[in-house]
Order: sequence, then C-alpha cells, then structure tokens
Amino acid sequence: RKEVEQDPGPFNVPEGATVAFNCTYSNSASQSFFWYRQDCRKEPKLLMSVYSSGNEDGRFTAQLNRASQYISLLIRDSKLSDSATYLCVVNFYSGGYQKVTFGIGTKLQVIP
Amino acid sequence: DTAVSQTPKYLVTQMGNDKSIKCEQNLGHDTMYWYKQDSKKFLKIMFSYNNKELIINETVPNRFSPKSPDKAHLNLHINSLELGDSAVYFCASSQGVARVNYNEQFFGPGTRLTVL
Repeated sequence: RKEVEQDPGPFNVPEGATVAFNCTYSNSASQSFFWYRQDCRKEPKLLMSVYSSGNEDGRFTAQLNRASQYISLLIRDSKLSDSATYLCVVNFYSGGYQKVTFGIGTKLQVIP
Repeated sequence: DTAVSQTPKYLVTQMGNDKSIKCEQNLGHDTMYWYKQDSKKFLKIMFSYNNKELIINETVPNRFSPKSPDKAHLNLHINSLELGDSAVYFCASSQGVARVNYNEQFFGPGTRLTVL
C-alpha cells in the first residue's frame, strides 16, 4: 500500500459545482497534513493545513479523519481558476525530523 | 523578491554528461529539499538538509550528490546522466524541522531536465 494515495482524476466539474477529494495515508503515526495546489508547469504551493477539528478557508474546507486515516478537501462554488492539481501531503516526525510524503495529486478541471 | 530560486530553469543535455542545478532561498529557513517530479507527475523527495546537514537521503542513485555550502544554498550534482533522469527537479525550503507548526514548504520554480 502506498504511503499516501489519491485518485488522480481528472475531475471535470462545471463552474459553481461542489467537488470533494479524498486522500488516504498508511502511517497511523502521521502527525501533520496539508493540501498543496500545483498549476500546470508550476511549482506546488500550500493551499491549507488540515487540523484535527477541520478547518475552512473561504470556499475550501479540509477535514481529517484519523480513525479511517484520510483527509478530504471540499471546494464549494468552483471557479475556473480552481483548475489545478491538488496534492495531499502527510508528515511523519521521527527523531526531531519530518519525513514529507506527497500524494500523486488529483487533477481538477472546472468547465465553463 | 524571489523566495526560492533555482538555476537553470531548463537543462537539455546528452546522456553521460555531468550537470549541476543550483538552489538558493532567502527566507532564513533551516531546511532545504530536493524533489523529483517525473512524467507521471509524482513528486518524490530525494534529499533533505537541515542547516547544512544531510537528514533525509531517499533511495537515489549515488550519481546524485547534493551539496549545501551554507543553509541558504542546496545544489544538486548529477553524474553520468541517463534517459530516466529526465524530469522536473524542485528545490524547496521550510522552517526548522522540529517545529510542528512551521513546516510549510516553499518551492522553487523547478528545473526541467531533458536527457537526450
């Protein structure tokens, strides 16, 4: 089983739709979680951290389910500019250092 | 001001050559990374340095040798380039590794390496 698994998509959704992505991780001791966004031919950039209680940033909501070992990202009212690949990132701390693992990413295409 | 910069942006070279990619960050971060993103877009960590000390060395051929002259720079030297080395190489940096709340990674723009 891969350390971090995502559905690569693509997810093609119309503007204004709500879309959700899940990401599962295998290491139950993983400690911090993030969603990054990567535009075509660009570098990844942090979208949001994922907190245990869930967190929201505008149209974006992130959730963590430790029991089932997955995180999710919900995007409401999709915009054309949301088209990108969304990377799930999981950190595991050991000996004071972080091991960072990226998922393969889920590609989102928002259609006019 | 560019936070994490890499040079060159594009690198086209023949098999068997030796090449270097340079990375610099002006964020004052203690930790720097090299990632490889292959044609399937999978982003995989190669190396991580904390304050010039190698702390992560994933299963990478020893043709790849990172060097960190100071904590603001992390260079990657590749010997005897092979076709399979073609990929985009991203440098990144983050705040001190032991700080749980401060490990957002800032990425450079990437170096697109093509080996012919």
